[in-house]
This record gives sequence, C-alpha cells and structure tokens, in this order.
Amino acid sequence: DAGVIQSPRHEVTEMGQEVTLRCKPISGHDYLFWYRQTMMRGLELLIYFNNNVPIDDSGMPEDRFSAKMPNASFSTLKIQPSEPRDSAVYFCASSSLIGGGNEQFFGPGTRLTVL
Amino acid sequence: GQQVMQIPQYQHVQEGEDFTTYCNSSTTLSNIQWYKQRPGGHPVFLIQLVKSGEVKKQKRLTFQFGEAKKNSSLHITATQTTDVGTYFCAGTSGSARQLTFGSGTQLTVLP
Repeated sequence: DAGVIQSPRHEVTEMGQEVTLRCKPISGHDYLFWYRQTMMRGLELLIYFNNNVPIDDSGMPEDRFSAKMPNASFSTLKIQPSEPRDSAVYFCASSSLIGGGNEQFFGPGTRLTVL
Repeated sequence: GQQVMQIPQYQHVQEGEDFTTYCNSSTTLSNIQWYKQRPGGHPVFLIQLVKSGEVKKQKRLTFQFGEAKKNSSLHITATQTTDVGTYFCAGTSGSARQLTFGSGTQLTVLP
C-alpha cells in the first residue's frame, strides 16, 4: 500500500485566495483525521470522519475552514478566504478499527504558506 | 477538555547518553500512543500502551504507562544520531477515537 497520500506537498498562495488540500487515506481505513501543525500550537486535530461522516469538527478554527469526505478514498480541507495565520503544515491521517489497533497513519503533509 | 502535557520541550544529549521524555494527562486515559517525527517528516506510530502499569520495550526504547493511566514515559538508552526527532505522546479517553497530542519533546543528539 502507498500509505496516506496528500496533495499538494507545498502550497504558496496570497491572502484572500481559496486553498484546497487533498487526502487519500489507506484503503480500507474507516477513520480519517485532519491535523494542523505549527510551532506555536503544536499538532491540533481539526476534524475527523468515520465512514465518510464528520464526527467531531470542534477543532476547526472558524467558518473559513471546511472539510468534506465524498467517498471512502478521498477527503478535502478547504480554506476560503485564506489568511497569513493559516500558514502551517496540514496532515491527514487514517486509521482502522480492524485488529483493535488505534494507531494513526499520517500522510507526508501539505506545507501551506499564505502571503 | 482533555490536556496532555509533555516535558521537556527540548533535549540535547551527547551520543551514547540516555534520554527520557514524560507525558501527563489531565484526565484518565484509555490508552496512550507514542509517535516520532523526524525533521521535515510526519509523525510515525511507535507503540500503544493500554494497561495500567504496562511496560513495553523496542530495542533501546522503553515505554511505560502509569498505574493511574494519567502519565507515561519514553526512555531511550544509549542514544544514537538516528534517534533525532520530536517524540509525541498522544492519548485517548473513553471510547473516543481522536487522539490528543502532547506538545512533543525535540531530541537533538550530538555526535
């Protein structure tokens, strides 16, 4: 398996632009998580899905952020409009209940810079 | 809400010295996991502890889960340059699937 796939790996955009981050979880995993990592705030959970349904979005910072999971193999995190303070590394992770394990498999991340 | 504190924030050691990072939760945990993130990389799962007082070893790494299931530690014996990175603990409470990550300990190993 290729692991969790994220695109793009790097994104540089200007303030006010829309940004869309993409994630393909590991095949067969039924949980998908979006995290944001910054030096100041560490690794923060933004939202997670179970079987494509959003379960907890309490970590989404504000209405400018939205996430969707239209099917089991694809999720997006959208920021509209983007602001400089959104600059961070955004990770997607997936996990599965099968086998009783709870470990999360992280993608390589998208490094977002908003100018 | 649940908070997970981790100390120290940074640790510099000479190669061959031991290293320990500590994790404390504000609430009782169902389980605790440890991840390692290399510079420029992504978090990679190391281990999960579930039972009170549990101790697990992976080569030079020893993981402990406290009796009250509110604290944990990771100890590395005789560090090597390949141990460089940030070590995170992450806990879950109840039946929740989401992890609350500690702030991480950034380990630097000087050759």
